[in-house]
Amino acid sequence: NAGVTQTPKFRVLKTGQSMTLLCAQDMNHEYMYWYRQDPGMGLRLIHYSVGEGTTAKGEVPDGYNVSRLKKQNFLLGLESAAPSQTSVYFCASSPEVDRPRTDTQYFGPGTRLTVL
Amino acid sequence: KQEVTQIPAALSVPEGENLVLNCSFTDSAIYNLQWFRQDPGKGLTSLLLIQSSQREQTSGRLNASLDKSSGRSTLYIAASQPGDSATYLCAVRGEVIKAAGNKLTFGGGTRVLVKP
Repeated sequence: NAGVTQTPKFRVLKTGQSMTLLCAQDMNHEYMYWYRQDPGMGLRLIHYSVGEGTTAKGEVPDGYNVSRLKKQNFLLGLESAAPSQTSVYFCASSPEVDRPRTDTQYFGPGTRLTVL
Repeated sequence: KQEVTQIPAALSVPEGENLVLNCSFTDSAIYNLQWFRQDPGKGLTSLLLIQSSQREQTSGRLNASLDKSSGRSTLYIAASQPGDSATYLCAVRGEVIKAAGNKLTFGGGTRVLVKP
């Protein structure tokens, strides 16, 4: 049981390049999330999904697109990278069932992205 | 819009001293509040989750209190150890609506250093 995994771990892009970050979870969770973390700012939600085939915008969605074609995978795309997108990106998942002890999100190890 | 603030941003204490970490939020209509730990280069691990109807939660040396009406939570770590050195983040969950997922709003974190 690997939990939440993210690919790649590190990436350097030039301005204008595109890339896709892959998140995979093996816990059969309904909900998945993409966050970015910048120094001193905590985590900010980019996009999220409440089930296969669904996506929704979070707090900072501009410049990113997402897809959830399979329940276990959640992809984050940058079509034209900008230096402002330099950040650490975290994926998370959580179960739908609203029980107190399971009402938490499980996080991947992060992807460190630098845009030059 | 919910805003979560953590003060101080950084804290350094000698081993054995008790740690007190503060979290405040602007909208008291929360469903629950969580404390997470983040080690350098790693993802987040949930430490304690307090439902809005609860006043505190305890796990080992950790105790978290919640005062929803005043918009505050405090994480206490007793008899700190060098292994407690990490960044601690609090996060609140608002709506209980499936379409909203289990969205969390994070504070900026408190970076803790416990010196031997």
